[in-house]
Amino acid sequence: DAKTTQPTSMDCAEGRAANLPCNHSTISGNEYVYWYRQIHSQGPQYIIHGLKNNETNEMASLIITEDRKSSTLILPHATLRDTAVYYCIVRVGQAGTALIFGKGTTLSVSS
Amino acid sequence: SQTIHQWPATLVQPVGSPLSLECTVEGTSNPNLYWYRQAAGRGLQLLFYSVGIGQISSEVPQNLSASRPQDRQFILSSKKLLLSDSGFYLCAWSPFMNTEAFFGQGTRLTVV
Repeated sequence: DAKTTQPTSMDCAEGRAANLPCNHSTISGNEYVYWYRQIHSQGPQYIIHGLKNNETNEMASLIITEDRKSSTLILPHATLRDTAVYYCIVRVGQAGTALIFGKGTTLSVSS
Repeated sequence: SQTIHQWPATLVQPVGSPLSLECTVEGTSNPNLYWYRQAAGRGLQLLFYSVGIGQISSEVPQNLSASRPQDRQFILSSKKLLLSDSGFYLCAWSPFMNTEAFFGQGTRLTVV
């Protein structure tokens, strides 16, 4: 699976949009971009994933650049409950491949 | 809907004692199953994953083993715990074709 690079930490004011970047310059054509988050003392939670096109669900939006070498997770209106470690993972979407987590970005949302 | 059960939530075990953590998934068939460990202040480390009954892949050599006796049951074991086995153990599942993964609530193991 391709490696990803994320900032160690970010801050965001409550109610503002949180934009979390991820670089994956060695991504292959059949690799998807996944985002998970882990709130303290809980198991990771799936947020969103995409291949080429931008994606949106009830939690977030995922913007993938045209060359697919980077992406941005957008939380449109961050709340205090969004404080967590956010992981960007690139992996092949086929049976038998594992999900490998990096160090992620610690997002701190404050009032 | 699918659910994942993992127990116990917390566990304190003496060094040298055995370990058995169980994870079960409901509402799906032939899931991929995973065991992860997170040491205090550290990242998530993949320990084992399984694509079917009796099929286990080990990612890291260690004092642990895993088994999958039934389609939706995944067990993490140790014959003799070490202090370094302390951590937060998480079970996860994903559909056979490996889209998103869903995690249990975890077991916090303290070896004393």
